[in-house]
Amino acid sequence: RKEVEQDPGPFNVPEGATVAFNCTYSNSASQSFFWYRQDCRKEPKLLMSVYSSGNEDGRFTAQLNRASQYISLLIRDSKLSDSATYLCAVNWGSSASKIIFGSGTRLSIRP
Amino acid sequence: NAGVTQTPKFQVLKTGQSMTLQCAQDMNHNSMYWYRQDPGMGLRLIYYSASEGTTDKGEVPNGYNVSRLNKREFSLRLESAAPSQTSVYFCASSEGGSAQPQHFGDGTRLSIL
Repeated sequence: RKEVEQDPGPFNVPEGATVAFNCTYSNSASQSFFWYRQDCRKEPKLLMSVYSSGNEDGRFTAQLNRASQYISLLIRDSKLSDSATYLCAVNWGSSASKIIFGSGTRLSIRP
Repeated sequence: NAGVTQTPKFQVLKTGQSMTLQCAQDMNHNSMYWYRQDPGMGLRLIYYSASEGTTDKGEVPNGYNVSRLNKREFSLRLESAAPSQTSVYFCASSEGGSAQPQHFGDGTRLSIL
């Protein structure tokens, strides 16, 4: 089992739809969780950190489920500009600095 | 406002050649990282430096060495390049510690023939 796993997609949804991705992690001691967005041939950029109680930033909502060891990202009212690859990142166990990424989920929003 | 700067941006090597990828950050971050990204895949951690003076192996360290030259700079060396090391290499930095996000450089596109 990979340490951090994501559904690779691609997800192809119409503009305005709601879409959700999950990311599972294998180390129960992990404490830090992030979602990054990566556009084609560009560097990843932080979309949002994921907090224990869940958090929201505009149309984006992140959740953490420690019992089942996964984080989720929900995008509401999707825009064409949301088309990108979404990467989850998790610290590896007790090492705060060792950050492992999932393989990414491709999202394509169609008009 | 440079952030994380990687050099070079592109490089073509022949099998067996050596090369050092440079990375520098101006955000006074404690932790620095090297990742590689292959087509259609996420980032795989090669090495990281939690703080100045320390380096640790990541997921795929074989064939690479690193040097944390000072707080600002973290270099990645390929001693004898192999075609399997053809990839896009990203350097990142963070403040370090729990729940600190990473900031990435633009990447180095490396091809090994």
